[in-house]
Amino acid sequence: EIVMTQSPATLSVSPGERATLSCRASQSVSSNLAWYQQKPGQAPRLLIYGASTRATGIPARFSGSGSGTEFTLTISSLQSEDFAVYYCQQYNNWPFFGQGTKLEIK
Amino acid sequence: EVQLVESGGGLVQPGGSLRLSCAASGFTVSSNYMSWVRQAPGKGLEWVSVIYSGGSTYYADSVKGRFTISRDNSKNTLYLQMNSLRAEDTAVYYCARVVAGTLGLLDPWGQGTLVTVSS
Repeated sequence: EIVMTQSPATLSVSPGERATLSCRASQSVSSNLAWYQQKPGQAPRLLIYGASTRATGIPARFSGSGSGTEFTLTISSLQSEDFAVYYCQQYNNWPFFGQGTKLEIK
Repeated sequence: EVQLVESGGGLVQPGGSLRLSCAASGFTVSSNYMSWVRQAPGKGLEWVSVIYSGGSTYYADSVKGRFTISRDNSKNTLYLQMNSLRAEDTAVYYCARVVAGTLGLLDPWGQGTLVTVSS
């Protein structure tokens, strides 16, 4: 089983600032890494796949990078609607998720 | 429009059974890999099961032998039969389509259905 570890657990950032979220895999997942956004009471929404490709309709302020075992999600200028929980997920084999990073307003 | 709508959740006693449904529109369930993912209250996401287009099925260790994933092609619907339910199975259950060409990239997701296991 591939273990996904996200950091930090909670990130406090002011609107308009940049947020950087990290995800580490216990073994290489190549570029088979996705990021999802989840707001309270809603289903997760796919943001990034292939480590760096934005899903349809996702704003350009969201970007992903990394390969192998180290990955980063960057939100360049936080909007009010971006405060949510973010999960990374590897899909190199069975989909395993990180524990999530809660992005909260500072 | 591609859409998934879950139903069938509710309150069930420990040891009981429940069947979840996931009705799909805008695509054909049988031509895709389909998955169930759950989320316990206040917790993260946990993959539960997948069914391949060819019919092969796979399960997380936590539900193996108790849950069964299946589909009804005539109804374009995915199911999750849950038996011998435990308190730790309490969660919102989501169905999701696996993106073609991948083993587990999930998009879209349904809105989820809540299963509560309690006496």
